[in-house]
Amino acid sequence: RKEVEQDPGPFNVPEGATVAFNCTYSNSASQSFFWYRQDCRKEPKLLMSVYSSGNEDGRFTAQLNRASQYISLLIRDSKLSDSATYLCVVAEAGGKLIFGQGTELSVKP
Amino acid sequence: EAGVTQFPSHSVIEKGQTVTLRCDPISGHDNLYWYRRVMGKEIKFLLHFVKESKQDESGMPNNRFLAERTGGTYSTLKVQPAELEDSGVYFCASSQDLGASGAELFFGSGTQLSVL
Repeated sequence: RKEVEQDPGPFNVPEGATVAFNCTYSNSASQSFFWYRQDCRKEPKLLMSVYSSGNEDGRFTAQLNRASQYISLLIRDSKLSDSATYLCVVAEAGGKLIFGQGTELSVKP
Repeated sequence: EAGVTQFPSHSVIEKGQTVTLRCDPISGHDNLYWYRRVMGKEIKFLLHFVKESKQDESGMPNNRFLAERTGGTYSTLKVQPAELEDSGVYFCASSQDLGASGAELFFGSGTQLSVL
């Protein structure tokens, strides 16, 4: 079983759509949780951290359920520029990051 | 401020040859990480330096891989001898806070290694 598992992609959605990504992790001792974004042939960049209380950044909402070991990302009113691969990432003690395989999102006009 | 820089951006070598990848972290970042993504797989941790010390090298695939960070500044990752399965994108990342698992990691743009 993979340490971090994500929805298989790709997700193809029209502009303006709402899209949700799900992720589960296997290590209950994991300490921190993130969503990273990776554009084609580029490096991963932090999109947002994920907190148990849920957090929002503009059109992006992230949720964490520690009991279920489940993380989600909701993108509202999707834009063409949101097209990318979204990586669910879990951090262990010392800063070591465990990546999911990523979910590709393609937003079409 | 300069970000994490990696060199070269691409490297094509033959099986059995040696390749050395270099990473310059953001100035002042004590933590330096190497990650790798092979085709079709997720990005995987290789090792973590705190200053010049190896904090965690549990992800290093085998003894053909040698990472160094002399003086606690830039780091090198040498693969000797390279094998076909070493092909992939090697990312370096750095962060500022020592031991803080919540600290943001800043990634370099990676080195695409192709072993033929």
